[in-house]
Amino acid sequence: IAGITQAPTSQILAAGRRMTLRCTQDMRHNAMYWYRQDLGLGLRLIHYSNTAGTTGKGEVPDGYSVSRANTDDFPLTLASAVPSQTSVYFCASSPTWGVVPQHFGDGTRLSIL
Amino acid sequence: SQQGEEDPQALSIQEGENATMNCSYKTSINNLQWYRQNSGRGLVHLILIRSNEREKHSGRLRVTLDTSKKSSSLLITASRAADTASYFCATDNNNDMRFGAGTRLTVKP
Repeated sequence: IAGITQAPTSQILAAGRRMTLRCTQDMRHNAMYWYRQDLGLGLRLIHYSNTAGTTGKGEVPDGYSVSRANTDDFPLTLASAVPSQTSVYFCASSPTWGVVPQHFGDGTRLSIL
Repeated sequence: SQQGEEDPQALSIQEGENATMNCSYKTSINNLQWYRQNSGRGLVHLILIRSNEREKHSGRLRVTLDTSKKSSSLLITASRAADTASYFCATDNNNDMRFGAGTRLTVKP
């Protein structure tokens, strides 16, 4: 079934550790996005990629980095995790930048202790 | 910062009743979308309404958009227990997409 796969589904991490959240899509979408979802705040965009080889900053990029080496994969890295990064992280994609709707993965629940 | 704000934050109704959720936003938009999120899952797109449209239907869903009031509503008719989920509006302004905090809908059987 076509869609977005995120891994891991959940993770508990000690503060200061490095963590990479994985996202893979098989829809050949050019645009991909990373959001965090916090209670009472909805989804906020962390980083995005218009196409393979390009990335951009969203609303809350600090403490996160991304790469887009190919069309299918868009990993999100926390270089040194802090408790305020405890959240549910969603990866999404769309055929091209600015084309909606976006298709979402089922998220990664991350707890930083 | 959030663009859309849903109202109410939570809604509980009986099966068969209609559910209405509202979304207000602050700046001009190109389109507005409604998404649904089941517990523990990602968001699923329901319906998109463009800024030059006033009303749109999809099955039991009816969406209205009033750009003069910067507001939208989502009506789910004849609700079912399976409609229990969180519903989010998302506004798109020149590729800047912003989500609201959502309305948690509970439909009691």
